[in-house]
Amino acid sequence: DTEVTQTPKHLVMGMTNKKSLKCEQHMGHRAMYWYKQKAKKPPELMFVYSYEKLSINESVPSRFSPECPNSSLLNLHLHALQPEDSALYLCASSLSFAQGYNSPLHFGNGTRLTVT
Amino acid sequence: AQSVAQPEDQVNVAEGNPLTVKCTYSVSGNPYLFWYVQYPNRGLQFLLKYITGDNLVKGSYGFEAEFNKSQTSFHLKKPSALVSDSALYFCAVRPSTGGFKTIFGAGTRLFVKA
Repeated sequence: DTEVTQTPKHLVMGMTNKKSLKCEQHMGHRAMYWYKQKAKKPPELMFVYSYEKLSINESVPSRFSPECPNSSLLNLHLHALQPEDSALYLCASSLSFAQGYNSPLHFGNGTRLTVT
Repeated sequence: AQSVAQPEDQVNVAEGNPLTVKCTYSVSGNPYLFWYVQYPNRGLQFLLKYITGDNLVKGSYGFEAEFNKSQTSFHLKKPSALVSDSALYFCAVRPSTGGFKTIFGAGTRLFVKA
């Protein structure tokens, strides 16, 4: 079983809806990530939080809004999405640079998002 | 530009035979190297990593990987494949110069036939 928990597992939303994806980990990792993955493709980095502060935004459209309320939680708020945003959204965590830079990524099982 | 190449879209192997999934990288310095596996409708799962030291790294589920600095390769191997090994495998590299970005290869689908 994965140590990174993502909810919901599946989400169908219309282009005018507002929804949120949630991610939780209790491994003491201080780096948390959002990735987007299309079918049979590698994951694409969207955002990175380090010690609850946004460290990287890979030029993601503003209709995606990340939030890191505390060291264990990571949210991704969705608004006015497009059909091409349909994908598997993966949350991951790792030790931060200060904790041990060569730490692997620990992924959740993702949220399968369909935008209609 | 930094990159990771997995030259095979798919690898087919019979159960019980050895398997190899190839990976080469073009990253400056001495990067950290990883292999991940993804089963259908699941996230990526860490298999093994190379940081420094012995060129043969052992990981989960009987997998191992061979690091070759001169060829900048990090091939994934297993002596005897199982049908349950069928999955999508990603090679990944993290530059040792700092930062949170991991560079992923395109992925190789492994199909093990009974």
